[in-house]
Amino acid sequence: AQKITQTQPGMFVQEKEAVTLDCTYDTSDPSYGLFWYKQPSSGEMIFLIYQGSYDQQNATEGRYSLNFQKARKSANLVISASQLGDSAMYFCAMREGLSGGSNYKLTFGKGTLLTVNP
Amino acid sequence: AAGVIQSPRHLIKEKRETATLKCYPIPRHDTVYWYQQGPGQDPQFLISFYEKMQSDKGSIPDRFSAQQFSDYHSELNMSSLELGDSALYFCASSMGLLKNIQYFGAGTRLSVL
Repeated sequence: AQKITQTQPGMFVQEKEAVTLDCTYDTSDPSYGLFWYKQPSSGEMIFLIYQGSYDQQNATEGRYSLNFQKARKSANLVISASQLGDSAMYFCAMREGLSGGSNYKLTFGKGTLLTVNP
Repeated sequence: AAGVIQSPRHLIKEKRETATLKCYPIPRHDTVYWYQQGPGQDPQFLISFYEKMQSDKGSIPDRFSAQQFSDYHSELNMSSLELGDSALYFCASSMGLLKNIQYFGAGTRLSVL
Protein backbone atom coordinates (compact mmCIF):
# COMPACT_ATOMS: atom_id res chain seq x y z
CA ALA A 1 0.00 0.00 0.00
CA GLN A 2 1.11 3.53 -0.73
CA LYS A 3 2.41 5.27 2.36
CA ILE A 4 1.94 8.72 0.81
CA THR A 5 -0.88 9.48 -1.60
CA GLN A 6 -1.15 12.65 -3.63
CA THR A 7 -4.34 12.38 -5.64
CA GLN A 8 -3.85 15.49 -7.80
CA PRO A 9 -1.38 14.87 -10.62
CA GLY A 10 -1.83 18.47 -11.74
CA MET A 11 -3.37 21.65 -10.39
CA PHE A 12 -3.97 25.08 -11.88
CA VAL A 13 -4.37 28.32 -9.93
CA GLN A 14 -4.64 31.97 -10.84
CA GLU A 15 -1.92 34.30 -9.65
CA LYS A 16 -2.67 35.81 -6.20
CA GLU A 17 -5.19 33.12 -5.34
CA ALA A 18 -4.76 30.41 -2.70
CA VAL A 19 -4.38 26.73 -3.56
CA THR A 20 -4.50 23.51 -1.54
CA LEU A 21 -2.44 20.49 -2.48
CA ASP A 22 -3.70 17.24 -0.99
CA CYS A 23 -1.66 14.60 0.81
CA THR A 24 -2.80 11.58 2.79
CA TYR A 25 -0.50 9.17 4.55
CA ASP A 26 -0.54 5.72 6.05
CA THR A 27 1.49 4.67 9.07
CA SER A 28 1.07 2.71 12.27
CA ASP A 29 4.02 4.47 13.89
CA PRO A 30 2.79 6.94 16.53
CA SER A 31 5.83 9.14 15.94
CA TYR A 32 6.37 10.48 12.45
CA GLY A 33 7.12 13.63 10.50
CA LEU A 34 5.51 15.06 7.40
CA PHE A 35 7.31 17.25 4.90
CA TRP A 36 6.56 19.21 1.77
CA TYR A 37 9.19 19.85 -0.87
CA LYS A 38 9.10 21.95 -4.03
CA GLN A 39 10.89 20.83 -7.18
CA PRO A 40 11.08 23.46 -9.94
CA SER A 41 11.81 22.48 -13.51
CA SER A 42 15.51 23.09 -12.80
CA GLY A 43 15.44 19.97 -10.64
CA GLU A 44 16.54 20.98 -7.16
CA MET A 45 14.48 19.82 -4.17
CA ILE A 46 13.55 22.69 -1.87
CA PHE A 47 12.27 22.13 1.68
CA LEU A 48 9.08 24.08 2.41
CA ILE A 49 7.47 23.00 5.65
CA TYR A 50 7.49 20.32 8.36
CA GLN A 51 4.84 18.93 10.72
CA GLY A 52 5.59 16.51 13.53
CA SER A 53 2.96 14.01 14.60
CA TYR A 54 2.94 15.37 18.14
CA ASP A 55 2.83 19.03 17.13
CA GLN A 56 -0.32 20.61 18.51
CA GLN A 57 -0.51 23.45 16.03
CA ASN A 58 -0.47 23.44 12.26
CA ALA A 59 2.89 24.47 10.83
CA THR A 60 3.25 27.74 8.95
CA GLU A 61 6.17 29.17 6.98
CA GLY A 62 5.46 32.46 5.27
CA ARG A 63 2.90 31.83 2.51
CA TYR A 64 2.92 28.09 3.22
CA SER A 65 0.77 26.41 5.82
CA LEU A 66 0.10 22.79 6.53
CA ASN A 67 -3.46 21.70 7.27
CA PHE A 68 -2.74 18.72 9.53
CA GLN A 69 -5.72 16.48 10.32
CA LYS A 70 -4.29 13.59 12.28
CA ALA A 71 -7.47 11.55 12.59
CA ARG A 72 -7.95 11.70 8.82
CA LYS A 73 -4.24 11.13 8.22
CA SER A 74 -4.02 14.12 5.93
CA ALA A 75 -1.40 16.85 5.64
CA ASN A 76 -2.50 19.25 2.95
CA LEU A 77 -0.28 22.12 1.84
CA VAL A 78 -1.91 25.51 1.48
CA ILE A 79 -0.15 28.16 -0.56
CA SER A 80 -1.61 31.62 -0.15
CA ALA A 81 -1.32 34.46 -2.68
CA SER A 82 0.15 32.27 -5.43
CA GLN A 83 3.01 33.67 -7.49
CA LEU A 84 4.23 32.70 -10.95
CA GLY A 85 7.38 31.36 -9.32
CA ASP A 86 5.31 28.83 -7.40
CA SER A 87 4.86 26.81 -10.59
CA ALA A 88 6.66 23.55 -9.82
CA MET A 89 6.22 19.92 -8.76
CA TYR A 90 5.30 19.57 -5.09
CA PHE A 91 6.10 16.43 -3.14
CA CYS A 92 4.65 15.33 0.17
CA ALA A 93 6.96 13.05 2.17
CA MET A 94 6.90 11.17 5.46
CA ARG A 95 9.56 9.98 7.86
CA GLU A 96 8.59 7.27 10.33
CA GLY A 97 10.37 5.99 13.39
CA LEU A 98 11.22 9.17 15.23
CA SER A 99 11.10 7.29 18.52
CA GLY A 100 14.83 6.60 18.57
CA GLY A 101 14.81 4.16 15.71
CA SER A 102 17.19 4.20 12.79
CA ASN A 103 14.60 4.56 10.08
CA TYR A 104 15.19 8.14 9.03
CA LYS A 105 14.49 7.81 5.32
CA LEU A 106 11.85 9.87 3.57
CA THR A 107 9.06 8.21 1.62
CA PHE A 108 7.66 10.46 -1.09
CA GLY A 109 4.32 10.71 -2.82
CA LYS A 110 4.06 10.85 -6.61
CA GLY A 111 3.86 14.63 -6.58
CA THR A 112 1.48 17.34 -7.81
CA LEU A 113 2.44 19.61 -10.68
CA LEU A 114 1.22 23.11 -9.87
CA THR A 115 0.82 25.67 -12.61
CA VAL A 116 0.19 29.29 -11.69
CA ASN A 117 -1.52 31.27 -14.44
CA PRO A 118 -1.06 35.05 -14.80
CA ALA B 1 23.58 30.10 4.44
CA ALA B 2 25.65 27.16 3.27
CA GLY B 3 23.75 24.41 1.48
CA VAL B 4 24.41 20.83 0.50
CA ILE B 5 26.97 20.69 -2.29
CA GLN B 6 26.90 17.93 -4.85
CA SER B 7 29.41 17.30 -7.59
CA PRO B 8 29.42 16.91 -10.44
CA ARG B 9 26.11 18.48 -11.45
CA HIS B 10 25.99 16.52 -14.68
CA LEU B 11 27.69 13.29 -15.65
CA ILE B 12 27.60 11.30 -18.85
CA LYS B 13 28.86 7.72 -18.84
CA GLU B 14 28.82 4.70 -21.10
CA LYS B 15 27.31 1.36 -20.13
CA ARG B 16 29.53 -0.74 -17.87
CA GLU B 17 31.56 2.29 -16.78
CA THR B 18 31.89 3.48 -13.19
CA ALA B 19 30.84 6.78 -11.63
CA THR B 20 31.53 8.52 -8.35
CA LEU B 21 29.15 11.13 -6.99
CA LYS B 22 30.23 13.40 -4.16
CA CYS B 23 28.22 15.14 -1.47
CA TYR B 24 29.30 17.79 1.01
CA PRO B 25 26.69 18.25 3.76
CA ILE B 26 25.72 21.48 5.45
CA PRO B 27 28.34 22.30 8.12
CA ARG B 28 27.64 20.53 11.45
CA HIS B 29 25.19 18.13 9.81
CA ASP B 30 26.10 14.58 10.81
CA THR B 31 23.67 12.57 8.67
CA VAL B 32 23.74 12.10 4.92
CA TYR B 33 21.09 10.47 2.72
CA TRP B 34 21.18 9.43 -0.92
CA TYR B 35 18.09 9.32 -3.15
CA GLN B 36 17.55 8.35 -6.78
CA GLN B 37 14.87 10.05 -8.87
CA GLY B 38 14.11 8.49 -12.24
CA PRO B 39 12.47 10.55 -15.02
CA GLY B 40 8.95 11.54 -13.97
CA GLN B 41 9.27 9.60 -10.72
CA ASP B 42 9.38 10.44 -7.03
CA PRO B 43 12.72 10.17 -5.22
CA GLN B 44 13.59 6.73 -3.88
CA PHE B 45 15.79 6.26 -0.84
CA LEU B 46 19.09 4.47 -1.43
CA ILE B 47 21.21 4.65 1.71
CA SER B 48 22.03 6.85 4.68
CA PHE B 49 24.91 7.45 7.10
CA TYR B 50 24.91 8.83 10.61
CA GLU B 51 28.24 9.75 12.20
CA LYS B 52 30.08 7.87 9.43
CA MET B 53 28.20 4.63 10.01
CA GLN B 54 25.54 3.26 7.68
CA SER B 55 22.21 3.92 9.37
CA ASP B 56 19.67 2.64 6.86
CA LYS B 57 19.59 0.96 3.48
CA GLY B 58 16.93 1.09 0.80
CA SER B 59 16.68 -0.30 -2.68
CA ILE B 60 20.32 0.26 -3.53
CA PRO B 61 21.73 -2.14 -6.14
CA ASP B 62 24.71 -4.28 -5.15
CA ARG B 63 26.65 -2.49 -7.89
CA PHE B 64 26.44 0.68 -5.82
CA SER B 65 28.36 1.42 -2.65
CA ALA B 66 28.67 4.48 -0.50
CA GLN B 67 30.52 5.77 2.50
CA GLN B 68 30.79 8.79 4.73
CA PHE B 69 34.22 10.13 5.52
CA SER B 70 35.74 11.69 8.64
CA ASP B 71 34.89 15.20 7.39
CA TYR B 72 31.26 14.00 6.92
CA HIS B 73 31.29 14.24 3.16
CA SER B 74 29.92 11.22 1.36
CA GLU B 75 30.55 9.46 -1.93
CA LEU B 76 28.28 7.20 -3.93
CA ASN B 77 30.20 4.78 -6.12
CA MET B 78 28.37 3.18 -9.01
CA SER B 79 29.90 0.39 -11.06
CA SER B 80 28.85 -1.57 -14.16
CA LEU B 81 26.48 1.22 -15.08
CA GLU B 82 23.26 0.30 -16.87
CA LEU B 83 20.91 2.41 -18.98
CA GLY B 84 18.37 2.23 -16.17
CA ASP B 85 20.75 4.00 -13.80
CA SER B 86 20.12 7.25 -15.68
CA ALA B 87 18.49 9.46 -13.08
CA LEU B 88 18.83 12.48 -10.84
CA TYR B 89 20.77 11.55 -7.72
CA PHE B 90 20.17 13.64 -4.65
CA CYS B 91 22.15 13.91 -1.50
CA ALA B 92 20.47 15.34 1.58
CA SER B 93 21.83 16.15 5.01
CA SER B 94 20.37 16.69 8.46
CA MET B 95 21.56 17.48 11.95
CA GLY B 96 20.79 15.38 14.97
CA LEU B 97 17.90 13.07 15.63
CA LEU B 98 15.09 15.44 16.57
CA LYS B 99 13.08 17.20 13.87
CA ASN B 100 15.90 16.33 11.50
CA ILE B 101 14.77 18.14 8.41
CA GLN B 102 16.57 16.83 5.36
CA TYR B 103 17.98 19.55 3.17
CA PHE B 104 18.71 18.49 -0.37
CA GLY B 105 21.52 19.37 -2.71
CA ALA B 106 20.86 20.40 -6.30
CA GLY B 107 21.41 16.83 -7.48
CA THR B 108 23.68 15.09 -9.95
CA ARG B 109 22.06 14.27 -13.25
CA LEU B 110 23.57 11.01 -14.51
CA SER B 111 23.06 9.93 -18.10
CA VAL B 112 24.18 6.46 -19.10
CA LEU B 113 24.51 6.00 -22.87
